[in-house]
Amino acid sequence: EIVMTQSPLSLPVSPGEPASFSCRSSQSLLDSNGYDYLDWYLQKPGQSPQVLIYWSSTRASGVPDRFSGSGSGTDFTLKISRVEAEDVGVYFCMQTLQTPYTFGQGTKLEIK
Amino acid sequence: QVQLQQSGPGLVKPSQTLSLTCAISGDSVSSNSAAWNWIRQSPSRGLEWLGRTFYKSKWFNDYAVSVKSRITINPDTSKNQFSLQVTSVTPDDTALYYCARWDSAKKTLDSWGQGTLVTVSS
Repeated sequence: EIVMTQSPLSLPVSPGEPASFSCRSSQSLLDSNGYDYLDWYLQKPGQSPQVLIYWSSTRASGVPDRFSGSGSGTDFTLKISRVEAEDVGVYFCMQTLQTPYTFGQGTKLEIK
Repeated sequence: QVQLQQSGPGLVKPSQTLSLTCAISGDSVSSNSAAWNWIRQSPSRGLEWLGRTFYKSKWFNDYAVSVKSRITINPDTSKNQFSLQVTSVTPDDTALYYCARWDSAKKTLDSWGQGTLVTVSS
């Protein structure tokens, strides 16, 4: 199975400042069709995860444009251009190239 | 807008069977463009995909190796829902269980149930 590794595990950020999350996979997530099958999810406190980004860089419906995803192959990044208080929670990456789908351990975003 | 509503007991005794149901609104369990998944979350394992069921001219199931011998995911077309059964549970199966819809085009889990905390204890 594909192993997903995220860093850092905790990320304290001041409101209005940028935030960056890293995710690495143990094998390439680039499919023959040219898509990288890497999702980003946010789990807010007490809530179910919600998808932010799919195909490495495509924002899901309703996701603010301050969220952006990038990367290909085995290295991926999620960025928040200006953190807001409502962005607190745990950010997970997940590979969707093959089953079993696997998740990273998560990065907890905290507001300073 | 797809909504998933989970139901089932929150306490299961060791060696017994865990059973949860996920009722679907806004889509069909028989949809050709979706798959219906179960995922669990615990402090020790993090988020763990357990398996899925989907319809492509016939029904298919796909399970994680870690639980394959103990897990069954079944669709119920008459009630537009799907279920999870895990047999011979141990305290290690204690977790928050989620159902989720897989969009086959986007290959993403775009709708999640509210979660059910299942504790395995005598």
